Amino acid sequence: DAKTTQPPSMDCAEGRAANLPCNHSTISGNEYVYWYRQIHSQGPQYIIHGLKNNETNEMASLIITEDRKSSTLILPHATLRDTAVYYCIVRVMPGNTPLVFGKGTRLSVIA
Amino acid sequence: DVKVTQSSRYLVKRTGEKVFLECVQDMDHENMFWYRQDPGLGLRLIYFSYDVKMKEKGDIPEGYSVSREKKERFSLILESASTNQTSMYLCASSGPTGDDNEQFFGPGTRLTVL
Repeated sequence: DAKTTQPPSMDCAEGRAANLPCNHSTISGNEYVYWYRQIHSQGPQYIIHGLKNNETNEMASLIITEDRKSSTLILPHATLRDTAVYYCIVRVMPGNTPLVFGKGTRLSVIA
Repeated sequence: DVKVTQSSRYLVKRTGEKVFLECVQDMDHENMFWYRQDPGLGLRLIYFSYDVKMKEKGDIPEGYSVSREKKERFSLILESASTNQTSMYLCASSGPTGDDNEQFFGPGTRLTVL
C-alpha cells in the first residue's frame, strides 16, 4: 500500500503557483520523498526528490516539514501543460526498489 | 535525451494468444520494471529486474512472465492472454544504486484483449 495521502484533485489558475500537499506521517528516517507526474496518455515523469532539506530544480520546489511528516510540491508558475496527475512517493534510497504509486492528485490548470 | 521505448503504443490481441511486450532503454541502466495501470487501481508492479537474466516478482505477477537476455531489453510475456489483462502497460528503467534512482518511463502500450 502507498504510504502517502494526497487530495484527489486540485485546480489552479494559469500563471499562479500550484501547491500540492502530501501527507507521509509514517515516513522512516531513511526514506526519501519523491514526486512524479503523469500527463494524460504518457508514462510518469520524475519531478524532484528530497530527504529533509527543501529542494528546487528547474521544474519545481519541494518543501518538507521539519518533522518530515508532510511535504508540498510547488510549481511556481503553472501552465496548461502542467495539467496532470501528481504522485507523491516515499522510498528508501539507494533505491533500485520499485516505486509504489498511490492515487495521486489530479491537477487541472485553468486558463 | 535518455529514452525508454516500447514496441507498440496500441495492441489488440485475442484471448489465448501469447503476447510479447518489448521495452528497450538506451541509458545502460541495470534496473528495469514493468507496471500495469488500470482506472481506479493506479500503477501496479508486475515484475522487475536488477540485472541481465535476473527477475523479481512484483505485486501482480500471475499470468505474466519476463525475459531479460540483454541489459537494454526487458520483455513482458503474457503466456495466454485473457480479457482481464486488458490494460496500459508501462516499462521503466533506473540507474545503479547511488544515483538519484530516478525512474524513466516509456510511453506505454495500451493492450486490448478480445
